[in-house]
Amino acid sequence: DQQVKQNSPSLSVQEGRISILNCDYTNSMFDYFLWYKKYPAEGPTFLISISSIKDKNEDGRFTVFLNKSAKHLSLHIVPSQPGDSAVYFCAASAKETSGSRLTFGEGTQLTVNP
Amino acid sequence: NAGVMQNPRHLVRRRGQEARLRCSPMKGHSHVYWYRQLPEEGLKFMVYLQKENIIDESGMPKERFSAEFPKEGPSILRIQQVVRGDSAAYFCASSLTIAFEQFFGPGTRLTVL
Repeated sequence: DQQVKQNSPSLSVQEGRISILNCDYTNSMFDYFLWYKKYPAEGPTFLISISSIKDKNEDGRFTVFLNKSAKHLSLHIVPSQPGDSAVYFCAASAKETSGSRLTFGEGTQLTVNP
Repeated sequence: NAGVMQNPRHLVRRRGQEARLRCSPMKGHSHVYWYRQLPEEGLKFMVYLQKENIIDESGMPKERFSAEFPKEGPSILRIQQVVRGDSAAYFCASSLTIAFEQFFGPGTRLTVL
């Protein structure tokens, strides 16, 4: 049962343009969402998070949007840079029922072309 | 300020042997999590520990796998009698509190021959 899904295995954008990575979830108990970036042979690096009481959180070039009614979140990167090329994982947690356990999506490989 | 450290980075074992994976959390962090990433998949939660306590092991296979986080020293994930299906990347994460910003180590890549 895949509770967090990233339906696009890959995404390719031009440098300077906007990258939009999408994530859907099914568990209505999830109340905290995170995005991680991962380079090959390294561990995931925390990027940005959002609580379910908000619908938007921004940090520099990264913005996460949460649509609770649609059980959908997205990560916007603007402007995209070649160094952003990595696998991006969406993760979610349900504090009340599963504490700190993170449930991850399958990841989206982002390639930013110079 | 060192991040989460894991060793070894690569581990090769033959079927039936034991694998021991070590994780040293970030300084001051007392919450440790282990995740496993199988090829072409996302990370899957295995176990959550605090010092000397297993808090949530609901993602851990019932047999052959165990984890500990002693009062002194690193957290250990132990896999007994490894099988080929155990080949994966094992990631450890730590956090300062039960807050959700978990910081990950570089992972241990286990290969079972």
